[in-house]
Amino acid sequence: EIVMTQSPATLSVSPGERATLSCRASQSVSSNLAWYQQKPGQAPRLLIYGASTRATDIPARFSGSGSGTEFTLTISSLQSEDFAVYYCQQYNNWPPYTFGQGTKLEIK
Amino acid sequence: EVQLVESGGGLVQPGGSLKLSCAASGFTFSGSAMHWVRQASGKGLEWVGRIRSKANSYATAYAASVKGRFTISRDDSKNTAYLQMNSLKTEDTAVYYCTRLSEYYDSLTYYYYYGMDVWGQGTTVTVSS
Repeated sequence: EIVMTQSPATLSVSPGERATLSCRASQSVSSNLAWYQQKPGQAPRLLIYGASTRATDIPARFSGSGSGTEFTLTISSLQSEDFAVYYCQQYNNWPPYTFGQGTKLEIK
Repeated sequence: EVQLVESGGGLVQPGGSLKLSCAASGFTFSGSAMHWVRQASGKGLEWVGRIRSKANSYATAYAASVKGRFTISRDDSKNTAYLQMNSLKTEDTAVYYCTRLSEYYDSLTYYYYYGMDVWGQGTTVTVSS
């Protein structure tokens, strides 16, 4: 089973600043990685698929990069609505389609 | 409007059973792979299992934690997916989401990528005596 490890667990950033979230896979998942955003009381929302392609209606301030075992989600200029929990998920080797444990992005 | 609506959650005793439903609308359900993901209170997302389309032989797969206890099925005539949960344990307590796994084709790399792009609102399952 592939283990996805996200860091940091919590990231404190001021509005307008850049946020960089990391996701590491225990073995290569090629570019078969997605990122999700989840706000309290809501279902997750797909942000990025294929490691770097934004999903429909996702703002350009969200970008994904990486391949193999190291991935990054960058939010270029944080808006108030971006403070949430972010998860990465691999779908290269399944089952299971493993998620990372999440990074909570909070207001500094 | 593309939508998934879960139902069937509730309180059940350990060892009991429960069947969740996921009603789809606004898209071609029969051609979609449907997944179930759960989230215990204050915890992260855990993939539970999936069922593929008829074209892919309705193939199912499950997480090790539920294999042998949970069964995913679908009725394309009703645009509905199901999660039958048997031998429930207290650690199965969670919000259960159904979600659609969509396929994206990259014409530059001739490769398919995937993402869970439609989610239901979730239904709460509590296993307790």
